[in-house]
Amino acid sequence: QVQLVESGGGVVQPGRSLRLSCAASGFTFNIYAMHWVRQAPGKGLEWVAIISFDGFNKEYADSVKGRLTISRDNSKNTLYLQMNSLRTEDTAVYYCARGTEGFGDYGWFDPWGVGTLVTVSS
Amino acid sequence: DIQMTQSPSSLSASVGDRVTITCRASQIIRSNLNWYQQKPGKAPKLLIYAASTLLSGVPSRFSGSGSGTDFTLTINTLQPEDFATYYCQQSFNTPLTFGGGTKVEVK
Repeated sequence: QVQLVESGGGVVQPGRSLRLSCAASGFTFNIYAMHWVRQAPGKGLEWVAIISFDGFNKEYADSVKGRLTISRDNSKNTLYLQMNSLRTEDTAVYYCARGTEGFGDYGWFDPWGVGTLVTVSS
Repeated sequence: DIQMTQSPSSLSASVGDRVTITCRASQIIRSNLNWYQQKPGKAPKLLIYAASTLLSGVPSRFSGSGSGTDFTLTINTLQPEDFATYYCQQSFNTPLTFGGGTKVEVK
């Protein structure tokens, strides 16, 4: 079955870096756009970034632009989120989610991974 | 950025009730509107995409309608497993944005 499993979360000090991974299985990874979405404790959902199926196109929320970088390795069926210059407001559960096929519009998120918690604290 | 406004932010209902949640976009988004259900401690799940298309496997008591700026999620005959938080999300343009959520609680 289609499955997404995030890893790499943890506690990190402000200003430091962290890299999240999302292992995909059960579908043809290299034909789908992929997203990162986050949720601060007790808060709503915030879209973070999208990467096209081939990795050439990327877009970001303004709140993370220049600090977080989305990438993918289609040979490993894995999505990444490199997080630099972390701030306390980046504390959240980070979900990866599958987007749409090929050159489709931005579409919907389905399915979602189980999430990984990132806590930025001194 | 496109702002998504959901109402109400919470509601109390009983099993068997009909529940309606509304979502309004700050600009026209055609039918680029999706609905998700989230239970505590779990990842969100897609229910409806493109405003009114039910995801395969989602019970038919869920339905979506609307286009342009105003959208509705309806749950007919509320079941115990439907108590959760519901989010709308626009996919018209980046940044992709969510409504603030509607928590459906037991009356």
